[in-house]
Amino acid sequence: ELKVEQNPLFLSMQEGKNYTIYCNYSTTSDRLYWYRQDPGKSLESLFVLLSNGAVKQEGRLMASLDTKARLSTLHITAAVHDLSATYFCAVDINFGNEKLTFGTGTRLTIIP
Amino acid sequence: KAGVTQTPRYLIKTRGQQVTLSCSPISGHRSVSWYQQTPGQGLQFLFEYFSETQRNKGNFPGRFSGRQFSNSRSEMNVSTLELGDSALYLCASSLVLAGAQNTEAFFGQGTRLTVV
Repeated sequence: ELKVEQNPLFLSMQEGKNYTIYCNYSTTSDRLYWYRQDPGKSLESLFVLLSNGAVKQEGRLMASLDTKARLSTLHITAAVHDLSATYFCAVDINFGNEKLTFGTGTRLTIIP
Repeated sequence: KAGVTQTPRYLIKTRGQQVTLSCSPISGHRSVSWYQQTPGQGLQFLFEYFSETQRNKGNFPGRFSGRQFSNSRSEMNVSTLELGDSALYLCASSLVLAGAQNTEAFFGQGTRLTVV
């Protein structure tokens, strides 16, 4: 059974600081996703990572994937308050099998 | 282009009742997946439909069922509701193309179900 672990579960950081969220998964995966969720809202897709060594950046967020280590990271650079949200990674183990297994989520709070 | 639409947005039901939730995918998307989100269990996969066929099913009791229509719209039904069924139910649609790797799931706003 595929397991996806995220850490930390909670993260409180000051504006301007850098930090990294980690996502480990237990089985070889074809695809890894990062989503953002604001309180009471749906999931917003941030990144889709498809291959070993993939790196994608959007604004202050950068995601990377190491399929050999079964590890993805979401790096936050110079955090701003607007980035406060819960971040989820999700893994899809079979191409064409639209079934995502989600991590526990990281609740990120940026303190002004 | 319209996103994934779920109705209703909020629902309050009594234990023992049944409920039907609806999801209209993005135009052209043929895959629809359903997820349950609770504070205790997080996001869990319920089932996925593609071209009116259920392709995958999560570990939920038979009280949870779904279907997909020829226009790709999907419904999920929960019978004999229990208090523990209170959750945010999210629907996602995907454009699944043969040979394509970057299939991405787009989520609707969800239906907040409260069972009392």
